[in-house]
Amino acid sequence: GIQVEQSPPDLILQEGANSTLRCNFSDSVNNLQWFHQNPWGQLINLFYIPSGTKQNGRLSATTVATERYSLLYISSSQTTDSGVYFCAVGPGNTPLVFGKGTRLSVIA
Amino acid sequence: GAGVSQSPSNKVTEKGKDVELRCDPISGHTALYWYRQSLGQGLEFLIYFQGNSAPDKSGLPSDRFSAERTGGSVSTLTIQRTQQEDSAVYLCASSSGKQYFGPGTRLTVL
Repeated sequence: GIQVEQSPPDLILQEGANSTLRCNFSDSVNNLQWFHQNPWGQLINLFYIPSGTKQNGRLSATTVATERYSLLYISSSQTTDSGVYFCAVGPGNTPLVFGKGTRLSVIA
Repeated sequence: GAGVSQSPSNKVTEKGKDVELRCDPISGHTALYWYRQSLGQGLEFLIYFQGNSAPDKSGLPSDRFSAERTGGSVSTLTIQRTQQEDSAVYLCASSSGKQYFGPGTRLTVL
């Protein structure tokens, strides 16, 4: 099956700093999504991005499908950005395979 | 609100009892997924429903776990003869492309 690797596993940032989270996957995919799990456990869909680049406020994501990776950029980080960021991939409208996540802590 | 809802939010049960967890997906979403997440861990896929197709049960950890989806909408996950290792947060998601998660049910088996 598809393997998903996320890096780094843990990240500590000072408020206002920028960061890049990476997701590598082992096979061709038609579905790639980024999620944020807040400290209360709620999973929020950030991006549906099987290819290309999207931006939403301080967050942006880029997927290079031919090279099997995706990047999530967080600019001017805030304490509310803390939580776990998951990348999930799949060949289509089938169960997504989730990475183990990047745990982000933003310190004021 | 038109998000995914789950009930109950918390469930404490005794080992050996059966439990039922409910998921109300977003109206019109044809795909519905169940996952579970143990403390501090990633998401473990359990079962997937797509329209009227037979469900993908490949993630169910044992035959004590079953799920149904009635009328292409509400889904119920049933765990029979619960064990302590079943303690986790059970998450439901629905999708029409982009996947949306419910708040989860925290199950504790004593």
